[in-house]
Amino acid sequence: GESVGLHLPTLSVQEGDNSIINCAYSNSASDYFIWYKQESGKGPQFIIDIRSNMDKRQGQRVTVLLNKTVKHLSLQIAATQPGDSAVYFCATVGAQKLVFGQGTRLTINP
Amino acid sequence: GAGVSQSPSNKVTEKGKDVELRCDPISGHTALYWYRQSLGQGLEFLIYFQGNSAPDKSGLPSDRFSAERTGGSVSTLTIQRTQQEDSAVYLCASSNQGRNSPLHFGNGTRLTVT
Repeated sequence: GESVGLHLPTLSVQEGDNSIINCAYSNSASDYFIWYKQESGKGPQFIIDIRSNMDKRQGQRVTVLLNKTVKHLSLQIAATQPGDSAVYFCATVGAQKLVFGQGTRLTINP
Repeated sequence: GAGVSQSPSNKVTEKGKDVELRCDPISGHTALYWYRQSLGQGLEFLIYFQGNSAPDKSGLPSDRFSAERTGGSVSTLTIQRTQQEDSAVYLCASSNQGRNSPLHFGNGTRLTVT
């Protein structure tokens, strides 16, 4: 079956440092990937996406890297701020629906 | 513009009762999804609508769960004879650009079955 997994369930970083959240996926046919941020009591919020014909995409303070060879993607957050504290999910498209990973909780130390 | 709206935001019900959860997608979005999220867990797919049709309802956990969508807009998720294991946050999302496009989520309905 299809699965999307995360390497670490929690990540703690110092304010101002860069954060890297990793994700592995199993379906080699996946061609679209999304990162979501979920704050407590809210629904997931779209951060950035990438299609399989790219290996890197940048947004505002965020970068997503895709390595199709090893079926791995990562989310990099530059200069992490307290407002970045949340659970981050990667998701990949499979059979018309998004398959979500378990999530990584990012906490920011002052 | 308005995002995806879900109601109620919280619902407490007794075991064995039926509940209805409502989702108002973003206007014009043709695709609508229901997901379930248990405490501290990822999102579990339930059902997907394209217009009023449900091409994929493979994630519905049992025949106690059903969903419908009318007018290509509002959707209701119904859980009959609720059980304690149904307690979770039920999230609705919509999309207008086909398969490879991001879903826009509501803030969910937190269901507690006592």
